Amino acid sequence: EDKVVQSPLSLVVHEGDTVTLNCSYEVTNFRSLLWYKQEKKAPTFLFMLTSSGIEKKSGRLSSILDKKELFSILNITATQTGDSAIYLCAGIGTYKYIFGTGTRLKVLA
Amino acid sequence: DAGVIQSPRHEVTEMGQEVTLRCKPISGHNSLFWYRQTMMRGLELLIYFNNNVPIDDSGMPEDRFSAKMPNASFSTLKIQPSEPRDSAVYFCASSLPASGAGNQPQHFGDGTRLSIL
Repeated sequence: EDKVVQSPLSLVVHEGDTVTLNCSYEVTNFRSLLWYKQEKKAPTFLFMLTSSGIEKKSGRLSSILDKKELFSILNITATQTGDSAIYLCAGIGTYKYIFGTGTRLKVLA
Repeated sequence: DAGVIQSPRHEVTEMGQEVTLRCKPISGHNSLFWYRQTMMRGLELLIYFNNNVPIDDSGMPEDRFSAKMPNASFSTLKIQPSEPRDSAVYFCASSLPASGAGNQPQHFGDGTRLSIL
């Protein structure tokens, strides 16, 4: 059965800390892995990772995929209160998008 | 450019009633997805359409749930009769056609928060 597991389930840090969020996957005919940020409403797209070992960066956020070990990490450096959200990862198979239950990040001022 | 538009934003109704959720995907997107999100189970795919045709409805919980996509710009998710355990946030998402390198990221609507009393 396809599954995506995220850890930790929740995390509380202080502003300025660096956090690493983990995502492991078992997805049939795996194609890509996506990271989303969900605040109060809709998940918003962060990264799409298709190739192993190539880091993608956007400001203080970065992510990398390891297709041999079947996992991805999302790093956030110098965290800010605005980073507080649920971070979701999703593995994409032939057409299925399998989401993890998310990591709930709380950044304290 | 308008994103995915869902209506209503909130729905509160009594069990047994019919509920219809609506979605307008982003223009040009040919894939449409309906998800249900709860604290316990996270984001679950209910059904996926490609070019208005249902491709996979294995996530639809039971016969009380049905979905249609009569044209490229409109889809509905219907629950009849509704039950309290259907209470959740229902998201619609759309994406561009898949490329050779992999599938496209999905763009989500703001969701419909459904409460069945």
